[in-house]
Amino acid sequence: AQKVTQAQTEISVVEKEDVTLDCVYETRDTTYYLFWYKQPPSGELVFLIRRNSFDEQNEISGRYSWNFQKSTSSFNFTITASQVVDSAVYFCALSEGTGNQFYFGTGTSLTVIP
Amino acid sequence: GAVVSQHPSWVICKSGTSVKIECRSLDFQATTMFWYRQFPKQSLMLMATSNEGSKATYEQGVEKDKFLINHASLTLSTLTVTSAHPEDSSFYICSAKGAGAAWWEQYFGPGTRLTVT
Repeated sequence: AQKVTQAQTEISVVEKEDVTLDCVYETRDTTYYLFWYKQPPSGELVFLIRRNSFDEQNEISGRYSWNFQKSTSSFNFTITASQVVDSAVYFCALSEGTGNQFYFGTGTSLTVIP
Repeated sequence: GAVVSQHPSWVICKSGTSVKIECRSLDFQATTMFWYRQFPKQSLMLMATSNEGSKATYEQGVEKDKFLINHASLTLSTLTVTSAHPEDSSFYICSAKGAGAAWWEQYFGPGTRLTVT
């Protein structure tokens, strides 16, 4: 079974619109970490955020915000006032306490139209 | 912060030849390195985990004789794609974890794009 699901394959928004990228995860571990990475066309993974399973506080960093809800096993990512430079593929990932492996979702390709 | 580099960043090789990809931790000692493969428009899939000085552990479905991994030092791991074929064309990404680091504390390299013609 897929441990990380990103149901949105592709999203297009017009510049300045807000957009939310969904991430649902599955794990039996009580201790785990969730991540979001941005992958621009160059391919390099850009780390955006890490959240541990014991910290459900939402986080805001500039135009980015994250909503972590254990009750629904979701870790959604919102970009406010999107910009063209936000166009990229965004990956949600899970790292469980019982192993070293990162489980990546299938990614959401975001296109921001000027 | 911790930096991981990969070399080359892209490579084109002919079918049947072998190609080596290097993954280096520049400012820390990486006791564990991971190799991922990403096909176009797909997710990253773990291929293998290597601990310095030990044989790599391969994920199910990954041919160990085709993808040779060597982690001979605390700063370098290599992935050699032997007898490459067009279906091996992919984006290969490594990540590294330092000694004493938490299990989730991995740093990713910039990736190597392999094209087999």
